[in-house]
Amino acid sequence: NAGVTQTPKFQVLKTGQSMTLQCAQDMNHNSMYWYRQDPGMGLRLIYYSASEGTTDKGEVPNGYNVSRLNKREFSLRLESAAPSQTSVYFCASSEQGPPNYGYTFGSGTRLTVV
Amino acid sequence: DQQVKQNSPSLSVQEGRISILNCDYTNSMFDYFLWYKKYPAEGPTFLISISSIKDKNEDGRFTVFLNKSAKHLSLHIVPSQPGDSAVYFCAASGDNNDMRFGAGTRLTVKP
Repeated sequence: NAGVTQTPKFQVLKTGQSMTLQCAQDMNHNSMYWYRQDPGMGLRLIYYSASEGTTDKGEVPNGYNVSRLNKREFSLRLESAAPSQTSVYFCASSEQGPPNYGYTFGSGTRLTVV
Repeated sequence: DQQVKQNSPSLSVQEGRISILNCDYTNSMFDYFLWYKKYPAEGPTFLISISSIKDKNEDGRFTVFLNKSAKHLSLHIVPSQPGDSAVYFCAASGDNNDMRFGAGTRLTVKP
């Protein structure tokens, strides 16, 4: 019963370095999401993929890119990390259609950019 | 532009009493409203939802109330238990995939 798996759990980057956050789900969900959580801000949507082969910008997409590799996997890439990207990143997945049953979230990646 | 607001950062209640968490929203296009619960070092977990055609939804000890005219929803937990201590996020969505979250309320239930 893995659900949504995120790797790595922790990461420290230097300003300007790049990295990819990995996310995989085993629930056969069509839709996947990347959120960031900052103190006092709640969760903010970075990018989402409504179905395999599609991606769309969310509320705070600048500085990020995403790839929906297949139905299971959705990765988030930081090309040139900045201290403002220090945050906790959550990946989530859901069935398509009305979100009555909510999203299933991974346990998060804590990223620090120094 | 925070479209979903939780104005109380924290709430403390006694075990066995009622916990009431509040949430306000500004976008009249939201059709679905959800509450999530989050423990430290874990992702949020879905708790309960309500669609805009209803004004109340109940699931065990948890009840969500929606007042569309006031753009306000609340989560009632009765009776509150120490294991309910967590951060609670209110969220809202239209029929797209853009779910917006509030900043969260930290609930502490004292034994």
